[in-house]
Amino acid sequence: EDKVVQSPLSLVVHEGDTVTLNCSYEVTNFRSLLWYKQEKKAPTFLFMLTSSGIEKKSGRLSSILDKKELSSILNITATQTGDSAIYLCAVLVGAGGTSYGKLTFGQGTILTVHP
Amino acid sequence: DTEVTQTPKHLVMGMTNKKSLKCEQHMGHRAMYWYKQKAKKPPELMFVYSYEKLSINESVPSRFSPECPNSSLLNLHLHALQPEDSALYLCASSQDVIRSGAMNTEAFFGQGTRLTVV
Repeated sequence: EDKVVQSPLSLVVHEGDTVTLNCSYEVTNFRSLLWYKQEKKAPTFLFMLTSSGIEKKSGRLSSILDKKELSSILNITATQTGDSAIYLCAVLVGAGGTSYGKLTFGQGTILTVHP
Repeated sequence: DTEVTQTPKHLVMGMTNKKSLKCEQHMGHRAMYWYKQKAKKPPELMFVYSYEKLSINESVPSRFSPECPNSSLLNLHLHALQPEDSALYLCASSQDVIRSGAMNTEAFFGQGTRLTVV
């Protein structure tokens, strides 16, 4: 059974702090790993990682995949109160030759940033 | 346009009602998904459609019936639901076509339908 585990489950920090969120996975037919931010409704796409060792950056957020360790980290520097959300890691799996994929989510990390 | 549109945004239905949730995307994506999300839990996959055909059914009860009338639309028909079916129902889509070994595919979510069964 495909498994995605995130840590920590919750994190409370103050504005300006840097945080690192972890995601590890055990899946068959790995295709890519995605990070999402979820506030009130739908998960909002942040990053998709397919190749190991290549960092993706968007403003204060960055993420990298380690296929050897079957894990990924999401870094947020200089956190702001608006970063408070649930951060979801999901792994897309799919058998070779098929044209569909299945997204399996981790439990999420609840990040709270205090002023 | 990187938008997945879901309607309605909120739905309250009785246990004997029949209703439908709708999802639409115009990104040319060929894979579409239904997820169910309970409060403070991650989304749980229900169904995957690929090229308008049902590819995955995660042992979902028959009171949930998906339908993909064309490549842009995905419906979820609801009948005889239970109060425990109350949740946020999320639709997502992805390009999801393997070409020459390339497996890059982003999945985008709609805003969800907040369903309450009374």
